[in-house]
Amino acid sequence: AAGVIQSPRHLIKEKRETATLKCYPIPRHDTVYWYQQGPGQDPQFLISFYEKMQSDKGSIPDRFSAQQFSDYHSELNMSSLELGDSALYFCASSDTYTLLGADTGSYNEQFFGPGTRLTVL
Amino acid sequence: AQTVTQSQPEMSVQEAETVTLSCTYDTSESDYYLFWYKQPPSRQMILVIRQEAYKQQNATENRFSVNFQKAAKSFSLKISDSQLGDAAMYFCAYRSTRDDKIIFGKGTRLHILP
Repeated sequence: AAGVIQSPRHLIKEKRETATLKCYPIPRHDTVYWYQQGPGQDPQFLISFYEKMQSDKGSIPDRFSAQQFSDYHSELNMSSLELGDSALYFCASSDTYTLLGADTGSYNEQFFGPGTRLTVL
Repeated sequence: AQTVTQSQPEMSVQEAETVTLSCTYDTSESDYYLFWYKQPPSRQMILVIRQEAYKQQNATENRFSVNFQKAAKSFSLKISDSQLGDAAMYFCAYRSTRDDKIIFGKGTRLHILP
């Protein structure tokens, strides 16, 4: 089965540079989520999009912006990179109305991609 | 705000034995989802098991089962017949029914001893 695709898988940048991370959701998934996992840390929710509109926002720095395009892929743009931005960035996708069995009701599971490892030097 | 607490940073278990990972959470909501995710050395985030708060029956997935105590806000994961491939970081996580974000605990690193 197709999974969430993230590119690039690894990225090395210098301080104050910009970076763009891309996420391609599972086909027919309409919602995309971004998470940041620092070294030795738990993942932190950054932002999500449903049908190209921002649906929820977490602890995303003002230096970061994101959008979802008409083909549902999403891009996370990061400017003025800092050393502390070094992390694993996960994208996840879901289908808003996925039903997982008759006894579970409606539930839109988030399927995680493999992550993009960003290193800021 | 909701929080998830995992009090065991690391645990070890002998292969083929049973181990229980602890998790507590705090929320004022009555309806929500709880999860256990596994993150092996590849860093891929893999859903192990999910529990809906409205269900009293504990979820089970093969060798993985949970003990969900809603009143105590406790959600532990039991791994039976531990295998070497179970070695990973395990995250307990919470998600409200009203928004998208998953809130993760700090994780428990599980070592499997051969």
